[in-house]
Amino acid sequence: NAGVTQTPKFQVLKTGQSMTLQCAQDMNHEYMSWYRQDPGMGLRLIHYSVGAGITDQGEVPNGYNVSRSTTEDFPLRLLSAAPSQTSVYFCASSSTLETQYFGPGTRLLVL
Amino acid sequence: DQQVKQNSPSLSVQEGRISILNCDYTNSMFDYFLWYKKYPAEGPTFLISISSIKDKNEDGRFTVFLNKSAKHLSLHIVPSQPGDSAVYFCASQIGGNYQLIWGAGTKLIIKP
Repeated sequence: NAGVTQTPKFQVLKTGQSMTLQCAQDMNHEYMSWYRQDPGMGLRLIHYSVGAGITDQGEVPNGYNVSRSTTEDFPLRLLSAAPSQTSVYFCASSSTLETQYFGPGTRLLVL
Repeated sequence: DQQVKQNSPSLSVQEGRISILNCDYTNSMFDYFLWYKKYPAEGPTFLISISSIKDKNEDGRFTVFLNKSAKHLSLHIVPSQPGDSAVYFCASQIGGNYQLIWGAGTKLIIKP
């Protein structure tokens, strides 16, 4: 059981570039979500999914897109990167509304 | 406006003593509370939780206390061990709602 995996671990982008952060889980969890963590702040929910084909916005969705075509995968797309999107991104999955299991994170630097 | 506040950015405790981490919330609709622990370069891991119908929950060395009237919860770690050195986040949730609202975290340092 790998749990929740995220790739890449670290990425540098130039302003305006696009990229996809990958997230996969092998626990057959229905719920998956993306968070960002900025210095001095708690994690903030970007988007989440309650099952394949169903996604919804969290607290800070602007500038990000998601899709959930399979139970296992939940990619996060940055359409046109901005310096304000420099952050650490965490993907999480869970079988209930409460306890979530997190991946190791992706550090993103936008220049 | 921060709905969940952890007012101590860091806390230093001697090994073997009790560590007490505090968390305050403002939204009276929150009815489920969780503590997560995070090591550097890793994702948060779930530690312990408490429902608003309880005022205490224990799991080994970890105990969470909830004071609903004060909108305050605390995590007690007894005895503190070197491996407990990490950042601790409290998070709150409204029942039936997936979104967790997180505090900014407290960095716990256990001194030998």
